[in-house]
Amino acid sequence: ETGVTQSPTHLIKTRGQQVTLRCSSQSGHNTVSWYQQALGQGPQFIFQYYREEENGRGNFPPRFSGLQFPNYSSELNVNALELDDSALYLCASSLERGRAGELFFGEGSRLTVL
Amino acid sequence: AQSVTQLDSQVPVFEEAPVELRCNYSSSVSVYLFWYVQYPNQGLQLLLKYLSGSTLVKGINGFEAEFNKSQTSFHLRKPSVHISDTAEYFCAVSELQGAQKLVFGQGTRLTINP
Repeated sequence: ETGVTQSPTHLIKTRGQQVTLRCSSQSGHNTVSWYQQALGQGPQFIFQYYREEENGRGNFPPRFSGLQFPNYSSELNVNALELDDSALYLCASSLERGRAGELFFGEGSRLTVL
Repeated sequence: AQSVTQLDSQVPVFEEAPVELRCNYSSSVSVYLFWYVQYPNQGLQLLLKYLSGSTLVKGINGFEAEFNKSQTSFHLRKPSVHISDTAEYFCAVSELQGAQKLVFGQGTRLTINP
């Protein structure tokens, strides 16, 4: 079975631009979560998608938005980038009614905002 | 709301020595508890979890953790570490409902010296 894959692995943007990050979930998983991990910090929950609907959101502004597609892959979009958006963005897939904490993480997309 | 505090940002130990990584949490409701490990340039991997039952839980790679409800702690231990244990370790909690939306601590960097 294939694991969680994310693209791109690294990217550089300037303040005010928009970015789209992509995630392919592990085979058979119907839930995708996104986390932001700033340098030296633990991951912070952005939002979760289940069957193409947002299923919970953390404390992030509306310029952070997402999509989940029928094949359960997902996108994270960030508009009007700010310097503090520089971070590692982690995608995790799971089963909505799977075992607690059983999330499978990708290796992340590292975003640098200049 | 929940919060997690990892009391040590860095822990250096010698190979084959024992190690303890400390984690305290705060929550007004019952929670599940987890430890994740992040190796360099990789995503997070679940080490172990406490859901209910025995307060001593065993995980992968010889790690174990003990849940202490009165002290709201969930410390991670290993009796003898190996060079390959060098990584960042994250303690996390989730509510019983929504058990895949995790709140992480800031992480502890474990460095093993030969």
